[in-house]
Amino acid sequence: SAVISQKPSRDICQRGTSLTIQCQVDSQVTMMFWYRQQPGQSLTLIATANQGSEATYESGFVIDKFPISRPNLTFSTLTVSNMSPEDSSIYLCSAGTINYGYTFGSGTRLTVV
Amino acid sequence: KNEVEQSPQNLTAQEGEFITINCSYSVGISALHWLQQHPGGGIVSLFMLSSGKKKHGRLIATINIQEKHSSLHITASHPRDSAVYICAINTNAGKSTFGDGTTLTVKP
Repeated sequence: SAVISQKPSRDICQRGTSLTIQCQVDSQVTMMFWYRQQPGQSLTLIATANQGSEATYESGFVIDKFPISRPNLTFSTLTVSNMSPEDSSIYLCSAGTINYGYTFGSGTRLTVV
Repeated sequence: KNEVEQSPQNLTAQEGEFITINCSYSVGISALHWLQQHPGGGIVSLFMLSSGKKKHGRLIATINIQEKHSSLHITASHPRDSAVYICAINTNAGKSTFGDGTTLTVKP
C-alpha cells in the first residue's frame, strides 16, 4: 500500500487564522479522504477529496470552513479556516486504491488558542 | 449502534503480560486496520488485514471474515506499548469507519 507523508505533525494557532495541512502520497491513488478526531471522540470523515473537482463533504462539514484541494493523484490539502478553539482536533488523511488497499497519514494535532 | 465495536475500552496490564484487544464490525468490508495512537496524537498504521493473520515483532493481528471479528495481540507487553489502539474498517468505497479505541496502559 501507499506511504503518506502528512505535514505538519502539530501546530498551535491563533483563533481567527487558517491552517493548511498537506498529504503527499508516494504513488498515484484513486481515493483520498480527510478525517477529524475531536478530543475524547473517535475519528469521523470530513470529506472525500476528488481529483480535479470539488470535494464531497459529509453532513456537518462545509467547504467554506474546510476547503480541500486535490490537484493531482498524489497530493491533497485540507485548510481549517477562521479557526476557533472548537477546531482543536487531530486531523488525519487516508489514501489508496481498491486493489492495493488504503493507508493513513500520521495525523496533525491542531491546538487553537 | 456503531458499525465498529472495540473491547475493552480501557486495559491495564503488567509488563510482560499477553494482551488481546478485540474488534467486531457489522458490515461487509474490503479491509480492516489496526492503528496505534500515541499520547501526543501521532498515528501509526500497525496492520491492514483482509484475511488470516499477520505478525510484526511482538504484535499479531487476526481476522475472521465470517464472524466479522478481529483481534490484536501483544506478546511480552512493555510500558512503551502504552497507547490507544484503534480498529478501522474499509468499505469498497474506500472510506474508513473507526472504533472508539482501546486505551492500553502497561505498568512496569
